Amino acid sequence: GAVVSQHPSWVICKSGTSVKIECRSLDFQATTMFWYRQFPKQSLMLMATSNEGSKATYEQGVEKDKFLINHASLTLSTLTVTSAHPEDSSFYICSARDQTGGSPLHFGNGTRLTVT
Amino acid sequence: DQQVKQNSPSLSVQEGRISILNCDYTNSMFDYFLWYKKYPAEGPTFLISISSIKDKNEDGRFTVFLNKSAKHLSLHIVPSQPGDSAVYFCAASPGGSNYKLTFGKGTLLTVNP
Repeated sequence: GAVVSQHPSWVICKSGTSVKIECRSLDFQATTMFWYRQFPKQSLMLMATSNEGSKATYEQGVEKDKFLINHASLTLSTLTVTSAHPEDSSFYICSARDQTGGSPLHFGNGTRLTVT
Repeated sequence: DQQVKQNSPSLSVQEGRISILNCDYTNSMFDYFLWYKKYPAEGPTFLISISSIKDKNEDGRFTVFLNKSAKHLSLHIVPSQPGDSAVYFCAASPGGSNYKLTFGKGTLLTVNP
């Protein structure tokens, strides 16, 4: 079945540094990928929609300059958390949709980000 | 304002019995609904979905029921197995698509042997 690979699975960084998270669709092409964030005991909240070859669409309240998204190919989207702060510590999950359609979203295993 | 609500944070069921997980939604534009299962430190795994033109969809031990008038759906697992123990998320999307999902907070299901 379709697999979405997310890397790294966990990262610890110092406040003020930037962290890049990669999301790859391994056996299908995805013109659209989605980035979610999940705080403890909360639901997955959509942060942005990543579109191959064009700018990402951000949800209300998500700072586009802080969470940089690049979708340079049909199988790769990256999320960069810039100038990270402790409040950015969370579980970030990407998902991708097979562009041929007819299938639900497939999710990566997530990245646990801890900012110290 | 939560558009998808899972009011039970947890549910405990005996192995072999039925598990019923509930979900309510408020946005009348939602017309495609999905259930995902999630283990700790992993991403959600798709379980089953239903579109608004149906009121029931069945896949093996999993059945999803949709009551559009009540804006309510439920996931039935029968018989429940210990391996079903996980967090179950209800998700919804508008416009007949299966992307840009809005999730509930999840229900932790524990199936006791």
